[in-house]
Amino acid sequence: GEDVEQSLFLSVREGDSSVINCTYTDSSSTYLYWYKQEPGAGLQLLTYIFSNMDMKQDQRLTVLLNKKDKHLSLRIADTQTGDSAIYFCAESAGTYKYIFGTGTRLKVLA
Amino acid sequence: DTAVSQTPKYLVTQMGNDKSIKCEQNLGHDTMYWYKQDSKKFLKIMFSYNNKELIINETVPNRFSPKSPDKAHLNLHINSLELGDSAVYFCASSRVSDEQYFGPGTRLTVT
Repeated sequence: GEDVEQSLFLSVREGDSSVINCTYTDSSSTYLYWYKQEPGAGLQLLTYIFSNMDMKQDQRLTVLLNKKDKHLSLRIADTQTGDSAIYFCAESAGTYKYIFGTGTRLKVLA
Repeated sequence: DTAVSQTPKYLVTQMGNDKSIKCEQNLGHDTMYWYKQDSKKFLKIMFSYNNKELIINETVPNRFSPKSPDKAHLNLHINSLELGDSAVYFCASSRVSDEQYFGPGTRLTVT
């Protein structure tokens, strides 16, 4: 199947770390991505990881990739209220095709 | 400078009508896409175009017809609109196999 699974909701307190998880299906995916969607807006790329990497850090964002389990996670350190949004993971499933996860709604409580 | 733009932002129309959504990108990308996001925020690819040629059509009803007059534009025409077509439609562009840049979306409401 082509389902990319994410938990639908996550709620954290401001200043805590958030961890958003994703399980993908295509083991041949070259890149895996994390996008952020704020209300009423399009998706914005946050970060991506090449499939031969285990980890990538980019300021407050840490991406972990477990290829054996086809598991991807995004950790946001020191989560702020401005981080409240929907987060999508995506895999490149071929040259011209991307499959997006179901999206995780992150709510940051002040 | 808007990288990927779509018009209109909102579209309200009645069942049975025909409507178009326009998309333009100024990034010099060769590949453009249309996505549909439903009320639960699930995002599904509809079409991929590369150099004005259709590459992927994800079992979209043939009431939906994309047209790419040049590499910078990918328009979406929808015939005989149905209630189930109500959604937010996103255009995106990328270099081949690279990150995608999304437009702001067009919210289509069919009554």
